[in-house]
Amino acid sequence: DAKTTQPNSMESNEEEPVHLPCNHSTISGTDYIHWYRQLPSQGPEYVIHGLTSNVNNRMASLAIAEDRKSSTLILHRATLRDAAVYYCIQSTDSNYQLIWGAGTKLIIKP
Amino acid sequence: GAGVSQTPSNKVTEKGKYVELRCDPISGHTALYWYRQSLGQGPEFLIYFQGTGAADDSGLPNDRFFAVRPEGSVSTLKIQRTERGDSAVYLCASSPLSGLAKNIQYFGAGTRLSVL
Repeated sequence: DAKTTQPNSMESNEEEPVHLPCNHSTISGTDYIHWYRQLPSQGPEYVIHGLTSNVNNRMASLAIAEDRKSSTLILHRATLRDAAVYYCIQSTDSNYQLIWGAGTKLIIKP
Repeated sequence: GAGVSQTPSNKVTEKGKYVELRCDPISGHTALYWYRQSLGQGPEFLIYFQGTGAADDSGLPNDRFFAVRPEGSVSTLKIQRTERGDSAVYLCASSPLSGLAKNIQYFGAGTRLSVL
């Protein structure tokens, strides 16, 4: 079973920031948080991952709570192309076996 | 560069038939993974290869499913005596085992298998 919980769906307006939450209350000190997204009819695509500190890359930012029991994926300016299912996954550094939940379906309104 | 390639993109077969699904990983990626995804759900782990050997096949649902990677590059997922419940999208991913990208899995577009 997935170790993370996410809302089933979220809506946002185009060109506005989006904050996608994830709870991972059973996380241990060496577990990473990964985010992937899956556009319709495509394979999943890596977005970002982190351990303790907040992380930024060209796609998004990852804000990790101080107690590490939750995190938020931030899309700074959503476009219609960001409409996808976003998966938050908890795994150890050496754990190749990602355990996926159902993810959050992000709907972007023009 | 070229990403992960999966062929065929769609496969329709009849119940009881044998099918092979192929995955070409990113060149140089030592790790290769197979997942299965049903409609509305996240991917479900099937098997993981490190090089030529299956390091973990605990996700294979039963002995009708088998996968090989004889030269440490291309992998084939084989399903014998297909059942209607095998219908799903089969995803392949690869990743390097070292370097900055070692925690990242790169996915192909998948093979949609339909068992009639």
